[in-house]
Amino acid sequence: DTGVSQDPRHKITKRGQNVTFRCDPISEHNRLYWYRQTLGQGPEFLTYFQNEAQLEKSRLLSDRFSAERPKGSFSTLEIQRTEQGDSAMYLCASSQPSGINEETQYFGPGTRLLVL
Amino acid sequence: AQTVTQSQPEMSVQEAETVTLSCTYDTSENNYYLFWYKQPPSRQMILVIRQEAYKQQNATENRFSVNFQKAAKSFSLKISDSQLGDTAMYFCAFRGSGGGADGLTFGKGTHLIIQP
Repeated sequence: DTGVSQDPRHKITKRGQNVTFRCDPISEHNRLYWYRQTLGQGPEFLTYFQNEAQLEKSRLLSDRFSAERPKGSFSTLEIQRTEQGDSAMYLCASSQPSGINEETQYFGPGTRLLVL
Repeated sequence: AQTVTQSQPEMSVQEAETVTLSCTYDTSENNYYLFWYKQPPSRQMILVIRQEAYKQQNATENRFSVNFQKAAKSFSLKISDSQLGDTAMYFCAFRGSGGGADGLTFGKGTHLIIQP
């Protein structure tokens, strides 16, 4: 069990550029979540996948945000036309729907985005 | 929508003391999950303890225990024999019974400082 991994760990970009983040969940976990965490706040839920199906996306912050999980393994979160207000930590988590740790979400280290 | 409130932005105690972090939540659901997560400085979110609402017995994990009062919608975390490594942000989180699509709803966190 290597845990949830995210890449890159840090990203600096200029306003208006597109950025993409990757998340690799724990291998046996079929549920994957994206969150945004701004300074001094708790994480804010963005979207959820069960296998390759995106079952919740209404909480994505705007139509500039999109996420995919094409083969039900890793996922990507893309932000188009970045704005300074997008600067935050983007967290990924995964979980399994059954077993002793069912519904417990395990988090990755996050990608810290700074938009200049 | 569910809300989670952590009323203590920051707490400081001496090493080896016992400390209790408070959390209240608002929901109309009967079945749900509650979690405490720890986020050390510049490090990833780690699960501390979880509680299923249908279980009357309070969860314990070594030095960590909860006081779950379902009727009062209260879910406090007690840390016994506190250690320097317990210094971190602590987040209380709620997950409803709607499956993964609910995501987690987090409080704003409590910054716990353990003094030597």
